[in-house]
Amino acid sequence: AQSVTQLDSQVPVFEEAPVELRCNYSSSVSVYLFWYVQYPNQGLQLLLKYLSGSTLVKGINGFEAEFNKSQTSFHLRKPSVHISDTAEYFCALYNFNKFYFGSGTKLNVKP
Amino acid sequence: KAGVTQTPRYLIKTRGQQVTLSCSPISGHRSVSWYQQTPGQGLQFLFEYFSETQRNKGNFPGRFSGRQFSNSRSEMNVSTLELGDSALYLCASSQMGQGETGELFFGEGSRLTVL
Repeated sequence: AQSVTQLDSQVPVFEEAPVELRCNYSSSVSVYLFWYVQYPNQGLQLLLKYLSGSTLVKGINGFEAEFNKSQTSFHLRKPSVHISDTAEYFCALYNFNKFYFGSGTKLNVKP
Repeated sequence: KAGVTQTPRYLIKTRGQQVTLSCSPISGHRSVSWYQQTPGQGLQFLFEYFSETQRNKGNFPGRFSGRQFSNSRSEMNVSTLELGDSALYLCASSQMGQGETGELFFGEGSRLTVL
């Protein structure tokens, strides 16, 4: 069975501080992993994806994520957040033509 | 390239009515998926269509249905609306074929309010 767990439903952080949003997955086969961001009243847009190769993946807006197969994790990081990063972030797993989304993490960046 | 277009963006219905939502995928994308997003349940997968065939289906009652046309445009229909159907309905398209990695491109959603 495939599943994605986002460990934090909300993450408050001050502007210019680093942030890590945690994602763990469960799958018995190789997977493709994604992070999506959703700004208020909008659809989701892709931040980054891991398909194969280097385990450190860089995405848009200064975000990066590290694939850790032994810990079945795909945590999202940014060294210095901005107010405009306030949004909801979704981790997703893809295989066998299906996507499995986590429950989302709301990142609230405070001035 | 135009993105995924969903219409209408907002709509209000009353219990017992039915609603049809439309989605135009990115040109060349053959896969269209639908998701329901609510504050309590998060993103829930409804169904996916690929080349006019329903390829995957989530755990929703039969009141929720969909279809895809030969030009890849898709519609979803909800009959006998209930208050709990109030949600943001998101459509996503992809070039997904068998064995591809399939990045999803989302529309801005149709926000349905059931009174």
